[in-house]
Amino acid sequence: KAGVTQTPRYLIKTRGQQVTLSCSPISGHRSVSWYQQTPGQGLQFLFEYFSETQRNKGNFPGRFSGRQFSNSRSEMNVSTLELGDSALYLCASSLVSGETYEQYFGPGTRLTVT
Amino acid sequence: AQSVAQPEDQVNVAEGNPLTVKCTYSVSGNPYLFWYVQYPNRGLQFLLKYITGDNLVKGSYGFEAEFNKSQTSFHLKKPSALVSDSALYFCAVRFFNTNAGKSTFGDGTTLTVKP
Repeated sequence: KAGVTQTPRYLIKTRGQQVTLSCSPISGHRSVSWYQQTPGQGLQFLFEYFSETQRNKGNFPGRFSGRQFSNSRSEMNVSTLELGDSALYLCASSLVSGETYEQYFGPGTRLTVT
Repeated sequence: AQSVAQPEDQVNVAEGNPLTVKCTYSVSGNPYLFWYVQYPNRGLQFLLKYITGDNLVKGSYGFEAEFNKSQTSFHLKKPSALVSDSALYFCAVRFFNTNAGKSTFGDGTTLTVKP
């Protein structure tokens, strides 16, 4: 099976712009979670989607949003970019939404905000 | 609130020696514990998990971890380290019912295995 894919792998944006990141989960996986990874804050949970519904949300401002499509693919959007949004954004999929299921991560999208 | 601590930023071991990467957790209720490894410019890879049952869990690449409820720990171990084990290791915790797809991660431990 193909792994989790994320596009694009690298992005450079300017402050104030918006960006959309895409994630395709492993075939058959229905849960998609998003994480932000930075050297200072580590891995921070953004949100999780399951069956096109947001199930859980982390402590991020409303500028961060996401959605999931019927084929389980997910997008994450960040509006009005700030310098502090520069990070590696990781998408993770699991078979279903549940605490006992391990997550499978994509390679990430490296976002640089200038 | 649930939390995970990895008390060592860096662990250095010689190839062939046993390795331990430490993880302690704080969570109300029964935890579900995971270890992941991250290689440079890659996403995280699942190594092993503890859900219930036997306290010693075996995972990928010869790694194992021991769940210790009294010490609230879940240390990752390997009897004989390889240079290729050098990477960033994350411990993660979830607990029942409210967190679904949310994992709380430790800050990570960089493991360096020297030839």
